Amino acid sequence: GAVVSQHPSWVICKSGTSVKIECRSLDFQATTMFWYRQFPKQSLMLMATSNEGSKATYEQGVEKDKFLINHASLTLSTLTVTSAHPEDSSFYICSASPLFGGSSPYAEAFFGQGTRLTVV
Amino acid sequence: SQQGEEDPQALSIQEGENATMNCSYKTSINNLQWYRQNSGRGLVHLILIRSNEREKHSGRLRVTLDTSKKSSSLLITASRAADTASYFCATDPSKGFSGGYNKLIFGAGTRLAVHP
Repeated sequence: GAVVSQHPSWVICKSGTSVKIECRSLDFQATTMFWYRQFPKQSLMLMATSNEGSKATYEQGVEKDKFLINHASLTLSTLTVTSAHPEDSSFYICSASPLFGGSSPYAEAFFGQGTRLTVV
Repeated sequence: SQQGEEDPQALSIQEGENATMNCSYKTSINNLQWYRQNSGRGLVHLILIRSNEREKHSGRLRVTLDTSKKSSSLLITASRAADTASYFCATDPSKGFSGGYNKLIFGAGTRLAVHP
């Protein structure tokens, strides 16, 4: 199956610093990728839709200036958590679907392995 | 926002028993997918059922979909200790989404514990 790679797998940073998380589709192209956040023992919440070559679309309640998304190519989307605070500590995970399959309502979504962010 | 609810929230069974998890959702969908997540790890895709399908099997997994009731169930037969994980349903309510599909909305999840 298609592979989505996320990097880093885990990161610890100090309050006030920024952290960049990468999401790469290794063997397919994706015009759209999605970013989710998961707090401990909770479900995944969609944060934003990353669109190649255009601005990301954010879900209600997600601060676009805090969570910067850049989808510079058909295989890479980045999420930057700016001025991180302890409440931003969470598990962040991305997903993508192949360009061809993504146009089908019956295509599977492929997820990265997630990034655990701890802000101290 | 979450699409719907899953029940039970937690399920504890013995090896060899069957485990049934239910998922309800709110809007019309293109497909419904089930995922497994081991503690602190990424998601493993289990099965996708299309909106025009009613039942699907994959190994020890059986998924049903009732679009009239906006509900789905996941049955794991002959459970094993290795099945211990959280299970999530996810729906794709996209309608002609220009960027494609799979903008998934997840249910709350069921934490399954299978004891040897």
